[in-house]
Amino acid sequence: AQSVTQPDARVTVSEGASLQLRCKYSSSVTPYLFWYVQYPRQGLQLLLKYYSGDPVVQGVNGFEAEFSKSNSSFHLRKASVHWSDSAVYFCAVTQGGSAKLIFGEGTKLTVSS
Amino acid sequence: EAAVTQSPRSKVAVTGGKVTLSCHQTNNHDYMYWYRQDTGHGLRLIHYSYVADSTEKGDIPDGYKASRPSQENFSLILELASLSQTAVYFCASSLSGNTLYFGEGSRLIVV
Repeated sequence: AQSVTQPDARVTVSEGASLQLRCKYSSSVTPYLFWYVQYPRQGLQLLLKYYSGDPVVQGVNGFEAEFSKSNSSFHLRKASVHWSDSAVYFCAVTQGGSAKLIFGEGTKLTVSS
Repeated sequence: EAAVTQSPRSKVAVTGGKVTLSCHQTNNHDYMYWYRQDTGHGLRLIHYSYVADSTEKGDIPDGYKASRPSQENFSLILELASLSQTAVYFCASSLSGNTLYFGEGSRLIVV
């Protein structure tokens, strides 16, 4: 069975600092991986996705993520965060051909000024 | 503009009452989903559908029914609402079953 673990429930970083949000997945086959962001009182929005190929994928607003098969990870990074990046970030996984997307429990990011 | 719209956005229901949450999408997507989100938790899949007039059980279907009368519409039905069903419910659509597009959520409080 597939699963996703986001080990950090809350992360606080200073504005302008770099960011890494961790995601570990479990899947019997090479998965499709996603990062979504949820701003307060809104639905989830796709940041980026990985299906295959280059393990580093670029997303919106300067976010990128790196897929590592050996570490079963898909960590999200940003070089310099802005206060508007404060939100909850969800990692998600599915197998190719499956319609079921499994979400992690989310990491709440607070960017302090 | 393509969108997923949910109604109602907020509802207070009494225990044992019937609740229907509605979702309408203009994305022309085949797949539609209902997830619930509890405070401090991720999203859990309740029901989904990949074609009109057919629904599938997700990971937590107990206490919920789903209806997909058309490609555009997908409803979640709580026949006998319970306190444990207080949550925020999200509808989503997808073209291929991978990238999901979410509505803004329906906040349900059962008292």
